[in-house]
Amino acid sequence: GAGVSQSPSNKVTEKGKDVELRCDPISGHTALYWYRQRLGQGLEFLIYFQGNSAPDKSGLPSDRFSAERTGESVSTLTIQRTQQEDSAVYLCASSSWANYGYTFGSGTRLTVV
Amino acid sequence: AQSVTQLGSHVSVSEGALVLLRCNYSSSVPPYLFWYVQYPNQGLQLLLKYTTGATLVKGINGFEAEFKKSETSFHLTKPSAHMSDAAEYFCAAGGGADGLTFGKGTHLIIQP
Repeated sequence: GAGVSQSPSNKVTEKGKDVELRCDPISGHTALYWYRQRLGQGLEFLIYFQGNSAPDKSGLPSDRFSAERTGESVSTLTIQRTQQEDSAVYLCASSSWANYGYTFGSGTRLTVV
Repeated sequence: AQSVTQLGSHVSVSEGALVLLRCNYSSSVPPYLFWYVQYPNQGLQLLLKYTTGATLVKGINGFEAEFKKSETSFHLTKPSAHMSDAAEYFCAAGGGADGLTFGKGTHLIIQP
């Protein structure tokens, strides 16, 4: 596609429910990144995919978070048993070359009530 | 591990005045450096990037930044501010498997 697409754009969920966030990167971009942006704060790096491989998952905040990617396309970020502190904007970015800047999606605003 | 520091969470300038947003990075090896802009309820848009070569980098919307290794800085400037420049600006460093490390952001306010 022309840009990085994320869905849903907004998600309100009850505490304890599971949520799945989707990222559709730019076609041909091999690198894909997930970040979390809490209100009034900078971006927190969560995980990086090169193809469908995630070399380091240590950035994920807890074991309730998981991510996967199918080939060099769609990625999903799953949060199990959501907590209020998970409320944030989750941003996805893709890149054709890891070090040369990313294209970001518009994000998913997650609100846990 | 890298860190990125942006001085001033809020910067206010008058329309037509010089914009200067400060960014310092901490790294044993000069990293790749980036500036992103975020408008309300939108994702981040790349303004400019430094990888190698010329240390003065020109970006979109009249912005430019200069990489100064001796000062470990990558400050963002624009000669004349426009009302449409009001947004959140993020400096970032790094790349690859460790991802980019972002500063906490600077909110740019343009006074009419």
